[in-house]
Amino acid sequence: DAGITQSPRHKVTETGTPVTLRCHQTENHRYMYWYRQDPGHGLRLIHYSYGVKDTDKGEVSDGYSVSRSKTEDFLLTLESATSSQTSVYFCAIRAESSYEQYFGPGTRLTVT
Amino acid sequence: GEDVEQSLFLSVREGDSSVINCTYTDSSSTYLYWYKQEPGAGLQLLTYIFSNMDMKQDQRLTVLLNKKDKHLSLRIADTQTGDSAIYFCAESMGYSNSGYALNFGKGTSLLVTP
Repeated sequence: DAGITQSPRHKVTETGTPVTLRCHQTENHRYMYWYRQDPGHGLRLIHYSYGVKDTDKGEVSDGYSVSRSKTEDFLLTLESATSSQTSVYFCAIRAESSYEQYFGPGTRLTVT
Repeated sequence: GEDVEQSLFLSVREGDSSVINCTYTDSSSTYLYWYKQEPGAGLQLLTYIFSNMDMKQDQRLTVLLNKKDKHLSLRIADTQTGDSAIYFCAESMGYSNSGYALNFGKGTSLLVTP
C-alpha cells in the first residue's frame, strides 16, 4: 500500500457543509492524486500535486480545492458539499523510480 | 479524458484461464496498468507494462500489448475463486496536463464459479 492512509474512512455530512479529506504518505513521493469513484464512471481525476504548494486541476475539479503544505499530506476540500459529491474518494501516489502508482484505502463520503 | 474501453462482465469456471480486454485511447501512453478491486476495498496494482514491450509475464498473469490497435489484455491462468473482483485497465496520461495521472476504464467484473 506504499504507506498511504486516508482519513476519515467514512463520513456522512449535510448539503452545504465544508468537508476536508486527508491523504497521508510516508515515503516522500512527489506526485499525489485525488480521484473519485462512482458507479458507471470508473475513477476520475479531481486534482493532482507535483510538489509542495504545486497543484493542478483534473477532469472533475469543480467544487473541490486542494492543498499541499507538506510533502506527506495532500488535502481535498469540498467547500460546500452537494449530493452529487457523494462518492468514494481515493488518494494515490506515483513512485518515480518505478512508475508504479499506488492507491490509498479510500474514503466513503455521503452527502445528505 | 477520452474513454478507455473494457467489457463490463466476464464469468469463468475455476481452473480455466480468464482474459480481460481493454482498448486505450492515447497511442503515446507510456505505461499501461492493471488494477484489481475487491468489494469495499481499494485498488491493488497487479502489473503494468511499458509501451515499448509486447508482453509481460508475472506468475499467473500475462499482459499482452498491441500498440497498433491500442489493445491491452490481461490473462489470468488457473483462475481461482479468490480472483473474483473488478479489474481496471488504466493508461498514464503523460506529464503535461495531468502529472502522469491515470485514465481508467470502467472496470470488468470477473466472476469465478466453482
